[in-house]
Amino acid sequence: AQKITQTQPGMFVQEKEAVTLDCTYDTSDPSYGLFWYKQPSSGEMIFLIYQGSYDQQNATEGRYSLNFQKARKSANLVISASQLGDSAMYFCAMRVYTDKLIFGTGTRLQVFP
Amino acid sequence: GAGVSQTPSNKVTEKGKYVELRCDPISGHTALYWYRQSLGQGPEFLIYFQGTGAADDSGLPNDRFFAVRPEGSVSTLKIQRTERGDSAVYLCASSSSGSGTEAFFGQGTRLTVV
Repeated sequence: AQKITQTQPGMFVQEKEAVTLDCTYDTSDPSYGLFWYKQPSSGEMIFLIYQGSYDQQNATEGRYSLNFQKARKSANLVISASQLGDSAMYFCAMRVYTDKLIFGTGTRLQVFP
Repeated sequence: GAGVSQTPSNKVTEKGKYVELRCDPISGHTALYWYRQSLGQGPEFLIYFQGTGAADDSGLPNDRFFAVRPEGSVSTLKIQRTERGDSAVYLCASSSSGSGTEAFFGQGTRLTVV
């Protein structure tokens, strides 16, 4: 079965600090993609970062980096130098051969001053 | 348009009624997806179009749900005999190809069945 697990329903971080949001996945397909999306209270899903299963290096996009540990089937999102505007829901998602995205239940991140 | 557009943004309907939700993808995007997001949950896949055809409709919960994309651009999600359990945010996304690229999401349609 294909599944994404996010075990942290909520996380708090102080502004300017780094935070790690956990994601583990399960698939028997050797080819897959892992995504992180941000969903602010306004509701839109904003793409943050992508990691392909065959990518040798961890993906980075500005303050976002993906800590990809294939053997452990984990794809944690690291946000460096947190900002108040980072407060939102964060979803980890996986795409396999069928092209649909399978989402986790999300983590609510709150950044405080 | 610049992004994925969904209309209406909010829809309140009575139990048993028929509703249509519209998605206008980014111009040129061949792949289009519908997801449903219930309160406190992640989006749940419903159906995926590649061009005009439904490449994967395995997520449609039952035969009350149907979606079309007749000209390969705009898509309509149709729900017959709505039930209170259908209340959710319906999200549409499009991408330039089916795999390996990010999907861009619309802001969703919040459906409330009373």
